[in-house]
Amino acid sequence: GESVGLHLPTLSVQEGDNSIINCAYSNSASDYFIWYKQESGKGPQFIIDIRSNMDKRQGQRVTVLLNKTVKHLSLQIAATQPGDSAVYFCAEPPLSNAGNMLTFGGGTRLMVKP
Amino acid sequence: KAGVTQTPRYLIKTRGQQVTLSCSPISGHRSVSWYQQTPGQGLQFLFEYFSETQRNKGNFPGRFSGRQFSNSRSEMNVSTLELGDSALYLCASSIRTGGDSEAFFGQGTRLTVV
Repeated sequence: GESVGLHLPTLSVQEGDNSIINCAYSNSASDYFIWYKQESGKGPQFIIDIRSNMDKRQGQRVTVLLNKTVKHLSLQIAATQPGDSAVYFCAEPPLSNAGNMLTFGGGTRLMVKP
Repeated sequence: KAGVTQTPRYLIKTRGQQVTLSCSPISGHRSVSWYQQTPGQGLQFLFEYFSETQRNKGNFPGRFSGRQFSNSRSEMNVSTLELGDSALYLCASSIRTGGDSEAFFGQGTRLTVV
């Protein structure tokens, strides 16, 4: 079955630095990926998504890169701020438009040091 | 507009009891999905309801069930509670079903089984 996982469980960065959070997936047919941010006491919040026909997508201070060759995606956060401290998940819906059934990676905790 | 509302926020139950959790989706959203979040297993999909019909079901025992009402509000029920059912239960609503419809999460219900 499909699986989505993360390399690093915890990432500690200095305020102002860039952060990179990684995610690996196993199904080469996967065509859509989503990054979520979960702050303490809250539910996950959509950050950015990317389809497999793209290698890169940019948002406000965030960039997602997709490398289909090695089945890897990353979330880059520029000029990391204390408010970015949270757990970040990559997620993947099922193939073939089969519904809203997300498979989440294990999550990476981002800690921003002032 | 109002976000996804989950009630109650916190719940303590005894082993063997049953519990019902409620989720009110964003107005106009017809898809409601439920997830269980634990430190050990991460975020795991329970089920999705769309137009009062269960569209997808995750790999959970039959003790976990749900339903959706005509106003799209959803409830999930867990019978014969076990200690391992202690978790944060998250509800997500989407305008439509289909995987690429953005999911908006509620703050969750923290269930503790003692």
